[in-house]
Amino acid sequence: AQSVTQLGSHVSVSEGALVLLRCNYSSSVPPYLFWYVQYPNQGLQLLLKYTSAATLVKGINGFEAEFKKSETSFHLTKPSAHMSDAAEYFCAVSKGSGGYNKLIFGAGTRLAVHP
Amino acid sequence: EAQVTQNPRYLITVTGKKLTVTCSQNMNHEYMSWYRQDPGLGLRQIYYSMNVEVTDKGDVPEGYKVSRKEKRNFPLILESPSPNQTSLYFCASSLRQGAGSSPLHFGNGTRLTVT
Repeated sequence: AQSVTQLGSHVSVSEGALVLLRCNYSSSVPPYLFWYVQYPNQGLQLLLKYTSAATLVKGINGFEAEFKKSETSFHLTKPSAHMSDAAEYFCAVSKGSGGYNKLIFGAGTRLAVHP
Repeated sequence: EAQVTQNPRYLITVTGKKLTVTCSQNMNHEYMSWYRQDPGLGLRQIYYSMNVEVTDKGDVPEGYKVSRKEKRNFPLILESPSPNQTSLYFCASSLRQGAGSSPLHFGNGTRLTVT
């Protein structure tokens, strides 16, 4: 069965510092993987997705993630944090081999950015 | 503007009083889904619908009902709400089934409190 583990429920970085949010997955089939962001009082927005093309995936707002099959990881990074990046981030894996759109979400990581 | 609209945004009710949370999308999406978000648990799927008159249980369907009589609407019904259904609820839709090409679009959420 597919599952997602996000390491660290809270991450705090300084403005301008590297952002690294960790996600490990388990899947019995080649996975579709996603990162979503949730700003306060809003729904989730898609940051980026991996669908078995390039292993390094670039998303919106300067974020990117690298699919590493050997480590079963899909960590999210951004070279330089902005105050506007403060939000909750969710990693998700698609349940099923693309035949239907059921996502299994991780518990989320809340990112705080301080001056 | 393409969007998923949920109503109400906030709802406080008492145990046992039937309620409905509405969800509507204007993107002609086939797939719609309901999730609940609880701290430390991420988002868990309640019900989903592949198309009109086609619905199925997600991972936490107990105590909920849905219907899909029209393509654009997917209401969530709590026949007899209980305090353990206090949560933040999200409706989401995508163009079609198949996670690789159809990212989910989320509504802004409904915060439900059952006393």
